[in-house]
Amino acid sequence: QQQVKQSPQSLIVQKGGISIINCAYENTAFDYFPWYQQFPGKGPALLIAIRPDVSEKKEGRFTISFNKSAKQFSLHIMDSQPGDSATYFCAASPNYGGSQGNLIFGKGTKLSVKP
Amino acid sequence: GAGVSQSPSNKVTEKGKDVELRCDPISGHTALYWYRQSLGQGLEFLIYFQGNSAPDKSGLPSDRFSAERTGGSVSTLTIQRTQQEDSAVYLCASSLASPIAGRREQFFGPGTRLTVL
Repeated sequence: QQQVKQSPQSLIVQKGGISIINCAYENTAFDYFPWYQQFPGKGPALLIAIRPDVSEKKEGRFTISFNKSAKQFSLHIMDSQPGDSATYFCAASPNYGGSQGNLIFGKGTKLSVKP
Repeated sequence: GAGVSQSPSNKVTEKGKDVELRCDPISGHTALYWYRQSLGQGLEFLIYFQGNSAPDKSGLPSDRFSAERTGGSVSTLTIQRTQQEDSAVYLCASSLASPIAGRREQFFGPGTRLTVL
């Protein structure tokens, strides 16, 4: 059972455009929703994260939108740049009484930003 | 400061052989995680260590997989009698034990690419 579903699998955007990646989850116990960015040959790195008590979080060109009732969240990359070309993973984690649990990842979106 | 390191970076082995993969977490991080990333797939959770607590082994795919963490620091993932379907990138991550509200960042190493022939 796939607990976090991510789409699209791949995305091509022109430089300066908006990249949008969507994720949906099933487990209402999830309370932490990060996005990770991964370049070839590297481990994933945290990009931005949100908790379900807010509907939007913005950091620079990156914004997470969160819809708790629909159990969906999305990543928006404004003014996309060729350097943003990477694979993006959404993830979710349950709250085990304040301690850290493992992350459950979506299958990833390969983003290509064309100059 | 130093990030999470993993060794070896690449490992090629023959089917049926045992392999050991090593992870050195960030100093002071008491939580350590192992994930597996297969081609075109997301990251699959394998095992989680938190301080002196019993590890969460719920993600291990079979009893051929095991992991230990010595002295609350270095961890070793062992795969016995490797199979071709074990070929993947094995990623290790570490994090602080007591997360600041809203921050539970896991820091990933570069991974070990395992190829089973």
